[in-house]
Amino acid sequence: GAGVSQSPSNKVTEKGKDVELRCDPISGHTALYWYRQSLGQGLEFLIYFQGNSAPDKSGLPSDRFSAERTGGSVSTLTIQRTQQEDSAVYLCASSLDEISSNTEAFFGQGTRLTVV
Amino acid sequence: QKEVEQNSGPLSVPEGAIASLNCTYSDRGSQSFFWYRQYSGKSPELIMSIYSNGDKEDGRFTAQLNKASQYVSLLIRDSQPSDSATYLCAVNRVFNKFYFGSGTKLNVKP
Repeated sequence: GAGVSQSPSNKVTEKGKDVELRCDPISGHTALYWYRQSLGQGLEFLIYFQGNSAPDKSGLPSDRFSAERTGGSVSTLTIQRTQQEDSAVYLCASSLDEISSNTEAFFGQGTRLTVV
Repeated sequence: QKEVEQNSGPLSVPEGAIASLNCTYSDRGSQSFFWYRQYSGKSPELIMSIYSNGDKEDGRFTAQLNKASQYVSLLIRDSQPSDSATYLCAVNRVFNKFYFGSGTKLNVKP
């Protein structure tokens, strides 16, 4: 696609429910990143994919959070048993990530998650 | 020590002035450097990238990189009220995650 696409744009869920957030990166981009941004705060790194593998999962806040990427394209971030502190904007970005060239990461519009 | 440090601001400049935004980073292996602009309620938008020492100009924006001092800056000439936003500095290595600073809020006063 022309840009990084995230869905849904907004999600309101009840505490304790599971949610899935989707990211469709720019076509041909091998690297994909998930970040979280709470209101008025900076970007918090969650996980990084290179192709379908995740060499860096260090930012996932707890075992309630998981992510996968299939076919080197679409990624899904799953939050189980959501808590109110999970409320934030979840941002996805993608980049070419080729060793022979410097790359730029482009963000999707984000998914605003509200846990009530 | 944070990977990327920025002054949170706010930085206030009058319309038409030069805004100077600064960033330092800790990893000497960093190879790529970026500036993003984020309007309130929106996602970050890439405005400049720089990969080698020196200056890079794009319209009213100039990015400056000094790897010896581990310092990146962004100059905005002829600042406009529409430039009012939070500016995020980001660095990365190839095959690694992007490290973001916490951002500097810029206010351009008409």
